[in-house]
Amino acid sequence: KQEVTQIPAALSVPEGENLVLNCSFTDSAIYNLQWFRQDPGKGLTSLLLIQSSQREQTSGRLNASLDKSSGRSTLYIAASQPGDSATYLCAVQTSGSRLTFGEGTQLTVNP
Amino acid sequence: DTAVSQTPKYLVTQMGNDKSIKCEQNLGHDTMYWYKQDSKKFLKIMFSYNNKELIINETVPNRFSPKSPDKAHLNLHINSLELGDSAVYFCASSPLGGGGNYGYTFGSGTRLTVV
Repeated sequence: KQEVTQIPAALSVPEGENLVLNCSFTDSAIYNLQWFRQDPGKGLTSLLLIQSSQREQTSGRLNASLDKSSGRSTLYIAASQPGDSATYLCAVQTSGSRLTFGEGTQLTVNP
Repeated sequence: DTAVSQTPKYLVTQMGNDKSIKCEQNLGHDTMYWYKQDSKKFLKIMFSYNNKELIINETVPNRFSPKSPDKAHLNLHINSLELGDSAVYFCASSPLGGGGNYGYTFGSGTRLTVV
């Protein structure tokens, strides 16, 4: 059974800092890994999708890496801004189009 | 707008009632899902449909019954609501077989409160 763990559970940083969010998964037989953002009381917004054959994806100030063999992914956020404050969720797709989520990292960027 | 839309956004109801949540996607995706987010914010899959056919049915009480009239719609009906059903329910869609190159798209959620 696939399990996804995100560390840290919560993170508070001053504006402008670069930061890394971590995601690990127990079963390396994944099709892809997706990072989402969830604002309080809102739905999920897809940030980055990494196919199992890829090592990283970049979008603006966001960079996500994937090491499938070790079961790890990181989301790097450069020059953080208060608007980046949200919960960041990591999810892996396994067989049968099933997405398994981590419990999220709650990020607060202080002005 | 292309999106996954679900209604209602908020639902407050009494124990024992029956309620439905509707979901529609206009992305042309073949697969639709229902996820539940509990009070600890943990998201877990409930059901998945491919072209109106049920392909994932997690360990969910049979009071929950999904219905897919066509591949663009997946509704969730809940009978005899219980306090523990209070959660946020998310609808999602993806291309056939999963995320493919474009990933999953989620609706904005339905916050169900059972009193």
